[in-house]
Amino acid sequence: DGGITQSPKYLFRKEGQNVTLSCEQNLNHDAMYWYRQDPGQGLRLIYYSQIVNDFQKGDIAEGYSVSREKKESFPLTVTSAQKNPTAFYLCASTLNGGSNQPQHFGDGTRLSIL
Amino acid sequence: GDSVTQMEGPVTLSEEAFLTINCTYTATGYPSLFWYVQYPGEGLQLLLKATKADDKGSNKGFEATYRKETTSFHLEKGSVQVSDSAVYFCALSDQAGTALIFGKGTTLSVSS
Repeated sequence: DGGITQSPKYLFRKEGQNVTLSCEQNLNHDAMYWYRQDPGQGLRLIYYSQIVNDFQKGDIAEGYSVSREKKESFPLTVTSAQKNPTAFYLCASTLNGGSNQPQHFGDGTRLSIL
Repeated sequence: GDSVTQMEGPVTLSEEAFLTINCTYTATGYPSLFWYVQYPGEGLQLLLKATKADDKGSNKGFEATYRKETTSFHLEKGSVQVSDSAVYFCALSDQAGTALIFGKGTTLSVSS
């Protein structure tokens, strides 16, 4: 079955450490997205990519970085510059980023600080 | 900028009760509108969508109508079940389709 796989499901970060969250899709979608979810805050866009080797900052990109070297993969790195990284991170994709296309989501990664 | 406002929860209902979750939006142009549902510990699943004014999206007994005149997209269900307990998000897609803009979510709890 096609879908989006996020790993790990739970991740712990030490102070000053960078961590990378994995997102892989086998839907053959061009566009991929990273969101951050905090309790009572809804989802906020971190980065998005509409094509391989290209990506754009979202509303809260500071302290995060991404790469898009392959169509199926869009890893997110939470750097030590992100001072409040504890949150639920969701990866999503759409066929080609059209405005009427629904987004398909992975099951998320919950990041906590040790 | 574009934004979505949802009624605050939690919403607590008995099984078979009628459900309404209000959603209003502010946007330039004519966005597509979506309702997503999130079960505990999971990602979001598309529940329904509408892409133009007066469209009605429906799925699993849930309905929502795109009302341009009131800039609303309220979610309704005639008879809720315990299994409907989840967080519901209203969202809109901007004209460029760069991403979705989400409301803060409404938690629904249904008891038997």
